[in-house]
Amino acid sequence: GAVVSQHPSRVICKSGTSVKIECRSLDFQATTMFWYRQFPKQSLMLMATSNEGSKATYEQGVEKDKFLINHASLTLSTLTVTSAHPEDSSFYICSALEGPESTDTQYFGPGTRLTVL
Amino acid sequence: GNSVTQMEGPVTLSEEAFLTINCTYTATGYPSLFWYVQYPGEGLQLLLKATKADDKGSNKGFEATYRKETTSFHLEKGSVQVSDSAVYFCALIPSDSWGKLQFGAGTQVVVTP
Repeated sequence: GAVVSQHPSRVICKSGTSVKIECRSLDFQATTMFWYRQFPKQSLMLMATSNEGSKATYEQGVEKDKFLINHASLTLSTLTVTSAHPEDSSFYICSALEGPESTDTQYFGPGTRLTVL
Repeated sequence: GNSVTQMEGPVTLSEEAFLTINCTYTATGYPSLFWYVQYPGEGLQLLLKATKADDKGSNKGFEATYRKETTSFHLEKGSVQVSDSAVYFCALIPSDSWGKLQFGAGTQVVVTP
């Protein structure tokens, strides 16, 4: 099946710094990618929808100025956590939609563990 | 609003036992329904899906039928293997929400030899 990678897999940063997470579709082009957040022993919560060449759309309650998303190409979306604080510590997961339909398969990255000290 | 409820785990089974994981949903209209699986140390993978009522999704011996009347999408497998040990997530995409997966809490399944 298709592969989605995330980099880095783990990052530890100091409070107040910014962290960039990359999500790449390795063997297919993805017009749409999604960013999720997963708290320990909880489910994935959709944060935003990333569309190539246009602005991301954010779910209710997600601060767009804190979580900057850039989908600059058909194989790369980035999530930047700006001025990170300890409450931003979480597991961030991206997915890439393989085709043009809403119900086409979403391929998930392995996730990025962010720890803010 | 939309939501997915699935049975809490962990579910512990012996090899070759029958597995059922219950999943019910709340949604307006006709959502598409999915089961995703997360093996230890790996990302989520699509296991199966059904996009309309009475459809049956199947893959790797797993099956689930979209039941509109009971708003359910229970996952079943007739004979589990140790390699089926994973966390299973039921999810839906609402009919009015393009591509946006909403997940249940996940159910951990442990299969012992």
